[in-house]
Amino acid sequence: AQSVTQLDSQVPVFEEAPVELRCNYSSSVSVYLFWYVQYPNQGLQLLLKYLSGSTLVKGINGFEAEFNKSQTSFHLRKPSVHISDTAEYFCAVHTNAGKSTFGDGTTLTVKP
Amino acid sequence: DVKVTQSSRYLVKRTGEKVFLECVQDMDHENMFWYRQDPGLGLRLIYFSYDVKMKEKGDIPEGYSVSREKKERFSLILESASTNQTSMYLCASTPRVPGTEAFFGQGTRLTVV
Repeated sequence: AQSVTQLDSQVPVFEEAPVELRCNYSSSVSVYLFWYVQYPNQGLQLLLKYLSGSTLVKGINGFEAEFNKSQTSFHLRKPSVHISDTAEYFCAVHTNAGKSTFGDGTTLTVKP
Repeated sequence: DVKVTQSSRYLVKRTGEKVFLECVQDMDHENMFWYRQDPGLGLRLIYFSYDVKMKEKGDIPEGYSVSREKKERFSLILESASTNQTSMYLCASTPRVPGTEAFFGQGTRLTVV
């Protein structure tokens, strides 16, 4: 079985400040790690993913995430946020069988 | 541009009605999923399908059924809608390739009154 814990349900931050959204996971099988973003009244879309190789992955809109196997974490970061980054962010694990488990989501609010 | 299309963005139904939510994908994906999204609870899997006419229960299947008669279409059915099924419903699809991301529809916000 897999589980995903997003450690912060809400993260308020000022524009141009750095941000980190935290994600821990557990799994009894090998998984792939994803971050998705959901803008208001829309479906989810892929931000970035880790499959293998370099533990630092870069995604769209200047986001990046680091896979830490020993801590079973996959935290999302951005060095300088914009108002337009206000959205809900979901961490997820996908198994080889194609099944996904999502975290409860983190609402990022960027204030001017 | 790849697409997952849900038939309705907003629906209002009465308690006890039979409700159909339709989802169509144009990417020839084998896997299709129905999720329910509620504030603070993230995405919870209702049902999924790995192939035509195949279905498996997810984490919260009670009160729902599904149908997959064609590869591109996956329908979610609420046999007798209840107010506690008021929610956002999201459809997603993936190919049978490990490590591929899920592609989501825009969501259907269902209100049962």
